Amino acid sequence: GEDVEQSLFLSVREGDSSVINCTYTDSSSTYLYWYKQEPGAGLQLLTYIFSNMDMKQDQRLTVLLNKKDKHLSLRIADTQTGDSAIYFCALLTGTGRRALTFGSGTRLQVQP
Amino acid sequence: NAGVMQNPRHLVRRRGQEARLRCSPMKGHSHVYWYRQLPEEGLKFMVYLQKENIIDESGMPKERFSAEFPKEGPSILRIQQVVRGDSAAYFCASSPPSLEEQYFGPGTRLTVT
Repeated sequence: GEDVEQSLFLSVREGDSSVINCTYTDSSSTYLYWYKQEPGAGLQLLTYIFSNMDMKQDQRLTVLLNKKDKHLSLRIADTQTGDSAIYFCALLTGTGRRALTFGSGTRLQVQP
Repeated sequence: NAGVMQNPRHLVRRRGQEARLRCSPMKGHSHVYWYRQLPEEGLKFMVYLQKENIIDESGMPKERFSAEFPKEGPSILRIQQVVRGDSAAYFCASSPPSLEEQYFGPGTRLTVT
């Protein structure tokens, strides 16, 4: 089965950039997603990238995909205290399958 | 446009009781997914449904769990004879016809006492 790994914790200062990393094993991943989860809440879709793209930018968010190394990252520019949350990467793999495979999440703590 | 709605938000059941979790997809979405999140873990896929059809139930436990998405009304995830290990957050997601994006509801937090 697919393995998706993320580091557990990241702490940054307000105003700095945050980079959250994700590695995966299945090279047939078609779409790769970043979700944000605040305490006690559901998951908010932040952005996603198709596997034939290297980069996608959306306001403060930049997604980088290195297919060769099976590495996905999310960069948040000018990180704010409201960005404190758990960030999940998720992958859609396999032809015709719709099940997302999630990493275990990275808890981002933003220090004022 | 209302988001994905789930109810109840919190559900407490005693061991052996039944739990029914409901999910109303976003307007215009006809694909529904259920995921389970154990404490301090990521989400695990359970089942994917379209109206009146189960498309992929590869993540569903073989016993006690069932799901439906009728022609009218919400999708239901049903857990019979709940055990303590069923305590988790259950999330529903829905997707538009393009199928690229899955939008999640707020979840139902099930506690089995």
